[in-house]
Amino acid sequence: AQTVTQSQPEMSVQEAETVTLSCTYDTSENNYYLFWYKQPPSRQMILVIRQEAYKQQNATENRFSVNFQKAAKSFSLKISDSQLGDTAMYFCAFLKIQGAQKLVFGQGTRLTINP
Amino acid sequence: ETGVTQSPTHLIKTRGQQVTLRCSSQSGHNTVSWYQQALGQGPQFIFQYYREEENGRGNFPPRFSGLQFPNYSSELNVNALELDDSALYLCASSLEGTRNTEAFFGQGTRLTVV
Repeated sequence: AQTVTQSQPEMSVQEAETVTLSCTYDTSENNYYLFWYKQPPSRQMILVIRQEAYKQQNATENRFSVNFQKAAKSFSLKISDSQLGDTAMYFCAFLKIQGAQKLVFGQGTRLTINP
Repeated sequence: ETGVTQSPTHLIKTRGQQVTLRCSSQSGHNTVSWYQQALGQGPQFIFQYYREEENGRGNFPPRFSGLQFPNYSSELNVNALELDDSALYLCASSLEGTRNTEAFFGQGTRLTVV
């Protein structure tokens, strides 16, 4: 079974700063996907960024980038030039390539961006 | 906003009652997954439906059951409600059978069992 661990329950930074959220996972699979989802107070899960395990290049989406270390089973999210709208719960998630599309989520990190 | 809609948005039920939650998937998506998110926790996978058949189940008892209809919308039914069933229930739709693995989530149904 896969597990996902987010060791930072809460983080807080000033607007425009850079912040890094940590995530580690455990799996015996070789091919899989990793995701970061954002859940604002509206409750809807929004995909922030996706990484395919067979790709060595780290994924980037505008101000969001990841540091994917496959051997270490680590998948951190870096948010540059943070904005007030980035305030939300952030969840790291794992998905096997084979079988049901069952996302395994971490416990989440509550990120607050202060003005 | 995604095209995934859930109803109702909030619900209060009494212990022992039964509840049905509904989800309309995004247009073109053939797979619906249900997740339970307890307060302060990450979502936990309940089950998934693909082409009207259950296609995977998490560690939830049989009193959690579901349906998927020909238009790919879905229902989650919970019988004999317990206090611990109080949670946010999220529905996600996706397209099985392709390499497109993005799941689109609805805004959830907040269920409170008293």
